[in-house]
Amino acid sequence: KAGVTQTPRYLIKTRGQQVTLSCSPISGHRSVSWYQQTPGQGLQFLFEYFSETQRNKGNFPGRFSGRQFSNSRSEMNVSTLELGDSALYLCASSLGDGRDNEQFFGPGTRLTVL
Amino acid sequence: GNSVTQMEGPVTLSEEAFLTINCTYTATGYPSLFWYVQYPGEGLQLLLKATKADDKGSNKGFEATYRKETTSFHLEKGSVQVSDSAVYFCALSQGGKLIFGQGTELSVKP
Repeated sequence: KAGVTQTPRYLIKTRGQQVTLSCSPISGHRSVSWYQQTPGQGLQFLFEYFSETQRNKGNFPGRFSGRQFSNSRSEMNVSTLELGDSALYLCASSLGDGRDNEQFFGPGTRLTVL
Repeated sequence: GNSVTQMEGPVTLSEEAFLTINCTYTATGYPSLFWYVQYPGEGLQLLLKATKADDKGSNKGFEATYRKETTSFHLEKGSVQVSDSAVYFCALSQGGKLIFGQGTELSVKP
């Protein structure tokens, strides 16, 4: 079974631009979660989507948004990029139908904001 | 709110040494607990998990026991290898989202 895939793997943007990251979950998984990883703040939860609906949200500004499609693929968008948005963005998928389903992570997208 | 605290790294060990990485948590209720490992340039891989008190998770020689009385989930391995060099994250599950500790970098020297 193919794992979680994320595209692109690397991105360089400048301040003020916007960016869209993509995540394809493991086949059969209906939940997709996004996390931001930085050296200073560590791993922080952004949001979770299940059956095309946002089910859970972390404490990030409205510039961070996401969506999920009917095939469970998900995208996250960051508008008006700031230097502090430079991070590794990780996507994780799970079955989503249980309280503590295991989450399987993709390799991440490394975003650099100049 | 819920939180996870791990021992600070980096931890440097010689091959075949015993490993312990401490993890304690604060949570309401009884969350599931996880250890994830991250190799350089990669995403997170689930190493092991435990879903209730006194459960022992194990995988690839690593073990951790869910201790409710001490709110701990320490990671142990009897004999580490150079290939175990990575960053290890302890995490708890809260309503479907994972709350992570700050990570502990492990470096194993031959």
